[in-house]
Amino acid sequence: NAGVTQTPKFQVLKTGQSMTLQCAQDMNHNSMYWYRQDPGMGLRLIYYSASEGTTDKGEVPNGYNVSRLNKREFSLRLESAAPSQTSVYFCASSERRGTYEQYFGPGTRLTVT
Amino acid sequence: GENVEQHPSTLSVQEGDSAVIKCTYSDSASNYFPWYKQELGKRPQLIIDIRSNVGEKKDQRIAVTLNKTAKHFSLHITETQPEDSAVYFCAASKHNNDMRFGAGTRLTEKP
Repeated sequence: NAGVTQTPKFQVLKTGQSMTLQCAQDMNHNSMYWYRQDPGMGLRLIYYSASEGTTDKGEVPNGYNVSRLNKREFSLRLESAAPSQTSVYFCASSERRGTYEQYFGPGTRLTVT
Repeated sequence: GENVEQHPSTLSVQEGDSAVIKCTYSDSASNYFPWYKQELGKRPQLIIDIRSNVGEKKDQRIAVTLNKTAKHFSLHITETQPEDSAVYFCAASKHNNDMRFGAGTRLTEKP
């Protein structure tokens, strides 16, 4: 099992460009999440999908959109990148939302210039 | 919503000493408290967790304690080793809700 995979590993964008971060899990988990990690601020939830076909905003959703393509895949889109979106992005999955262990992907380091 | 505070932000210990990291939470309904370890450049990984019906849990050199009345929980690492150097995150959640993470503690070994 690969667990949770993310692509790309690194990305540099210019302000205003768009891109999609891809995430897939092979653990048959129902819930998937996108976090951003900034120095000194821990992990902050951007969007989550409690189950296939549903998505909801987390703590810091502005500037992002998501798609739960199927049970395995959950993508994060930046429509018009801004320097404030420079961060490390982690995708995670869990059996269900709430009181279950979350398994994280390897992360995507995004720089917006 | 839930708010999790974590202290200290950095912790430096001699090899073989103990380390303690403390977290407080605001939502008394939270009932699941995991701890994640993140090595430099790697993904966070669960090292231990505790549920609200238990006051203490131990796994080899790692233990977690929970005080529901005071709404705080702590991670204890005994006999620290170089491989314990990492950033540690606490978190809190309840059924069908988002997991909220603390800001992290960077644990380093003194030379």
